[in-house]
Amino acid sequence: GENVGLHLPTLSVQEGDNSIINCAYSNSASDYFIWYKQESGKGPQFIIDIRSNMDKRQGQRVTVLLNKTVKHLSLQIAATQPGDSAVYFCADDAGGTSYGKLTFGQGTILTVHP
Amino acid sequence: GAVVSQHPSWVICKSGTSVKIECRSLDFQATTMFWYRQFPKQSLMLMATSNEGSKATYEQGVEKDKFLINHASLTLSTLTVTSAHPEDSSFYICSASSGQLKGKAFFGQGTRLTVV
Repeated sequence: GENVGLHLPTLSVQEGDNSIINCAYSNSASDYFIWYKQESGKGPQFIIDIRSNMDKRQGQRVTVLLNKTVKHLSLQIAATQPGDSAVYFCADDAGGTSYGKLTFGQGTILTVHP
Repeated sequence: GAVVSQHPSWVICKSGTSVKIECRSLDFQATTMFWYRQFPKQSLMLMATSNEGSKATYEQGVEKDKFLINHASLTLSTLTVTSAHPEDSSFYICSASSGQLKGKAFFGQGTRLTVV
């Protein structure tokens, strides 16, 4: 998931629908994965995380799925609300001596229509 | 808990001047802080890793003499953009992590730099 300067992909949904946002990562050594929500002009806000020894983790209205075989993450948002409109980024952490050093995916713009 | 504060939130400066951005961990000691840059409609790109009491480690392509990083204490890291040019205009974001927090990174609110 390197940033190559392209426009971010977009996802438009109706309020109440479920949203699925996908992300690919490239580092097979990564063992910790996080989803962030970023609203305009703000820093990333933690949503949910998952470690490599799991393939699914659920939070409040959100679920993260991890497929290490194909290096793919997804974020599922249930009953999407207008307040969920934002840019969503996945990030992976290769750990080692620099925990917290993240590589961000391209990002997806989520727009929720009332 | 785990609050990271950046200051200023936005700054406008003239070309050729230097600008300092502060990143503070308010309720925990951050052994490591990270600085990212984000251009409009793009993702976050890591610029450097800052460890308290040692020199920062810069990512490939990031000029260490232009982006000076100081991590003088466990709660404060600063990024100084020296001799700023319009192409340095961007959104700069810091994050902080520590072993206490099991390596999780917490982000500041970002600083919008505009160089005119």
